[in-house]
Amino acid sequence: SAVISQKPSRDICQRGTSLTIQCQVDSQVTMMFWYRQQPGQSLTLIATANQGSEATYESGFVIDKFPISRPNLTFSTLTVSNMSPEDSSIYLCSVVPFSGETQYFGPGTRLLVL
Amino acid sequence: AQSVTQPDIHITVSEGASLELRCNYSYGATPYLFWYVQSPGQGLQLLLKYFSGDTLVQGIKGFEAEFKRSQSSFNLRKPSVHWSDAAEYFCAVGAGTASKLTFGTGTRLQVTL
Repeated sequence: SAVISQKPSRDICQRGTSLTIQCQVDSQVTMMFWYRQQPGQSLTLIATANQGSEATYESGFVIDKFPISRPNLTFSTLTVSNMSPEDSSIYLCSVVPFSGETQYFGPGTRLLVL
Repeated sequence: AQSVTQPDIHITVSEGASLELRCNYSYGATPYLFWYVQSPGQGLQLLLKYFSGDTLVQGIKGFEAEFKRSQSSFNLRKPSVHWSDAAEYFCAVGAGTASKLTFGTGTRLQVTL
């Protein structure tokens, strides 16, 4: 398994600002993903974080709005840029260990944009 | 495109009663299927997964699920529900163990004492 931490765990932000969310894993992993869970909704994949290269974004998500970095095999960041109230969500990172047995999720970052 | 349908948005059961949560998927190849649970204010915890082999899989906390290819279903079951099982349950499908997942809309389980 993998132990995943996210920072911050929650935040309240003003519209027009940006927030960077960190995802740290206790061991090296092959895949890292970022998901969004809007209030009362299911999880939607934002992008796959690729180590050393640009992230792969899903339809409806763009790099200018959600820039992602993954400098190594244990760490990734997601930035929510120029926030609006519609960005209020839980943002979760997930990882797949090199054993590839399954995908584990972090505890999430609860974001409220006023 | 892959998709997951969880027909029941909200289910209420009495403690000690049996539980079945429905999940139907649409996928063009052999699916990798998962059930996750999300307790209030918590992240997602993997309950069980199906990749191949025996179509009845056992998971944590006494849960099991049965894969039925002919019905494109992967229903989650528990013989006797505990109050601590109250949570949101998500079914998900992926192309492999390291692939992105597509989630259903979730089923919220309420347990009455």
